[in-house]
Order: sequence, then C-alpha cells, then structure tokens
Amino acid sequence: DGGITQSPKYLFRKEGQNVTLSCEQNLNHDAMYWYRQDPGQGLRLIYYSQIVNDFQKGDIAEGYSVSREKKESFPLTVTSAQKNPTAFYLCASSAAGGYQETQYFGPGTRLLVL
Amino acid sequence: GESVGLHLPTLSVQEGDNSIINCAYSNSASDYFIWYKQESGKGPQFIIDIRSNMDKRQGQRVTVLLNKTVKHLSLQIAATQPGDSAVYFCAEKNSWGKLQFGAGTQVVVTP
Repeated sequence: DGGITQSPKYLFRKEGQNVTLSCEQNLNHDAMYWYRQDPGQGLRLIYYSQIVNDFQKGDIAEGYSVSREKKESFPLTVTSAQKNPTAFYLCASSAAGGYQETQYFGPGTRLLVL
Repeated sequence: GESVGLHLPTLSVQEGDNSIINCAYSNSASDYFIWYKQESGKGPQFIIDIRSNMDKRQGQRVTVLLNKTVKHLSLQIAATQPGDSAVYFCAEKNSWGKLQFGAGTQVVVTP
C-alpha cells in the first residue's frame, strides 16, 4: 500500500454520531486526498489538500470535514450531516508539482451504520 | 469497458491467455492516464501510466495503449494468472488537474 496507512479497517457509526477516519503517509508527499467508493461506481473525491494547513472541497464534500495540521496526516471526519455514510473510504497521496500526479492509495476503511 | 451502476462489466479469461481491458475516457484535453488494480476489500494499486504524447507503454506483463482519436485506453495483460483477478479501472487527469476515475471492469481468471 505504498507507505499509506488507514485506520480502522472497519468502523461502525451510530445515528447522530461523528466518526473520524485516520490516514497517515510516510512518502513525504505534499498532496493528500480522500475518496468515497460505492459499489459499481468510480471513486468520488471528497476533499483534497495540496499543502499543510490548506485543503479544498472535492465533488461530494457535504457532510464531511478534514484537517491538515501535519504533512503526513489527513484525517477525515464523517459528521452526522452525512445521511448516507455507508461506503468504502480511500485515502491517497501524491508528490506535488511536476507532470505526473500518480496517486497512491491506502488500504481503505469500510464505514457501516448501526 | 467502463460503466456506471451497481454491476461492473466482467471479463472472464482463461489462465494463460491474454486479457484486454478497455476504457473510454471523456475529456479530449486529458493529458495523463493511469491504470489501477483493486482486489476485493483493498485499496487500488498503481499498475502503469501513460502520457498523452505517447500511444503505447509497456511494463512487466502489461501494456497500455492510448488512442486519442477515439478517446480510448486499453490495458493488456499477458499470460493472465489467478492473481490477476481483480477490478481494473482507469483514471484520466483532466484539464483542471484532477483525476477522474472510471467504475472499472471485473476480471475473473478461470483455470
């Protein structure tokens, strides 16, 4: 998984609860990303960060929040405002700058609602 | 090819045969393409990439072909093995610099 770790592997959320998914990378990459994967669909971008202390909304940011206080860490919080959170969440990172923007992915966290 | 929906297209391949997985991309301005392999319950793994100034690139047992005229990308896997069973999807870097991902093709290798 290329030096990107995600935890936990499985996460259960109760009604009205906020939960936080962890993503850490030791690749010294500047950029980090969060994607949501639903069955039979392509990855959809939730949030991304190109540099520490800065992040931008992706295509489906509503109901999610992020922070980027350290280069190696990019946690994602799924808030109670996200009404359909059940999905497989993938974190990725890429080296900033240059022509190539190959993104390398972590192993994923599966979020289930109780 | 790619599709959107609950059911991915499936390619059934006999062990030892060559596999060809297709991807139609949407943006003629896309300048960089990547193929990923995703095994069940795991994160996607980078396989191979290609820039728009190339039409072919080879890796270990894999070849990517790019036809910009018809906006088509293909991944060829030589001598397919059981460990190649997975979902394969392509990604294109669009004019805003973001990657857009296809839904993928399920490859099933039969003995």
